[in-house]
Amino acid sequence: QKEVEQNSGPLSVPEGAIASLNCTYSDRGSQSFFWYRQYSGKSPELIMFIYSNGDKEDGRFTAQLNKASQYVSLLIRDSQPSDSATYLCAVNLSGTGNQFYFGTGTSLTVIP
Amino acid sequence: GAVVSQHPSRVICKSGTSVKIECRSLDFQATTMFWYRQFPKQSLMLMATSNEGSKATYEQGVEKDKFLINHASLTLSTLTVTSAHPEDSSFYICSARDRGLTEAFFGQGTRLTVV
Repeated sequence: QKEVEQNSGPLSVPEGAIASLNCTYSDRGSQSFFWYRQYSGKSPELIMFIYSNGDKEDGRFTAQLNKASQYVSLLIRDSQPSDSATYLCAVNLSGTGNQFYFGTGTSLTVIP
Repeated sequence: GAVVSQHPSRVICKSGTSVKIECRSLDFQATTMFWYRQFPKQSLMLMATSNEGSKATYEQGVEKDKFLINHASLTLSTLTVTSAHPEDSSFYICSARDRGLTEAFFGQGTRLTVV
């Protein structure tokens, strides 16, 4: 499902650094954008969502949305080894019956 | 967040048999349920979307006669894998959304192994 694209990584950052995860989407009418974290063998868990242009901060996480560029990103400040996981970007497409589509995910490793 | 319970968490079945997976929303009304399949080291692939009381909408390439989805109530959806084959072995995950909520919440997933 190519509606949402992510760099699969792996992305490695040292502990305490900022991890930057990126996602692009193809449907210009998309309304809501989500970041999920998935540990191996587990279901995804929601980190945060954003639907307005600009930044949204929640603790160490900041989501950034640029609808003109069809781009959404997630910044993780003060990265911890426990943040090591696959991060999935999801988009709620407009006018298509409410589907959520996921990107392929970016594998993040935080090195102690 | 809201709780979605998926059962069973693991199932092993023989080739040719059918398996039913249940997905329940415990503390909200799931007006929409999504069913995903995830193969190892791959992303979640949306299989179908179902709205309570309506027929499911299947994604291209997903056989609706093989993957039967029922969403008869606001708290329960089921996925039945009929005449399962080894290539159906995968991690199946449901998620649910209330029309009053922006986000969707996931069940724990079901690891299906067809032998």
